[in-house]
Amino acid sequence: KNEVEQSPQNLTAQEGEFITINCSYSVGISALHWLQQHPGGGIVSLFMLSSGKKKHGRLIATINIQEKHSSLHITASHPRDSAVYICAVRWGTSGSRLTFGEGTQLTVNP
Amino acid sequence: DTAVSQTPKYLVTQMGNDKSIKCEQNLGHDTMYWYKQDSKKFLKIMFSYNNKELIINETVPNRFSPKSPDKAHLNLHINSLELGDSAVYFCASSLRTGGTDTQYFGPGTRLTVL
Repeated sequence: KNEVEQSPQNLTAQEGEFITINCSYSVGISALHWLQQHPGGGIVSLFMLSSGKKKHGRLIATINIQEKHSSLHITASHPRDSAVYICAVRWGTSGSRLTFGEGTQLTVNP
Repeated sequence: DTAVSQTPKYLVTQMGNDKSIKCEQNLGHDTMYWYKQDSKKFLKIMFSYNNKELIINETVPNRFSPKSPDKAHLNLHINSLELGDSAVYFCASSLRTGGTDTQYFGPGTRLTVL
């Protein structure tokens, strides 16, 4: 069982819909990353957060340390948002080591 | 300008061969990583170097040997390739070690072992 759980595994939406992807983890962390993997395979870091909320364009990431939970929201979704979204955590004493969730495949239809 | 580059992009080889994947970053970062992404798209850390020194070595077979000639380069050499080594290998870098800096990923190298 992975220590970082994402849900849903697959998500299909219509263009314009509000999207939420969830990430839960088992013990205390010092940082959480959200990554996007494009259909072509490239990986881009979207956010790194350790508390609160961050916003970049139509993307919003939140984290609740007490509940050990983070969400990635996409407002006004677009077909170009179709990708795999991956949550990764740095455990409190793990140095640089990141542990990854299994990813959420998002498909946004026009 | 490519921030993190890897060569080759595709590598097809026979079982038992030895191969290398090269990685270079021009971001001036101190820390570099190798990740393996399996057929189920699951990413896992393999190695991390900070300023040419090995700081993370996961339970990877010793057929895999990373080498960092300088802090801008981290190469991965694989001996006696096996079918199970088929995967996409990603190199990444970050400004510092510690996991709290943004990591920048290379485009990946798709290794297929026949």
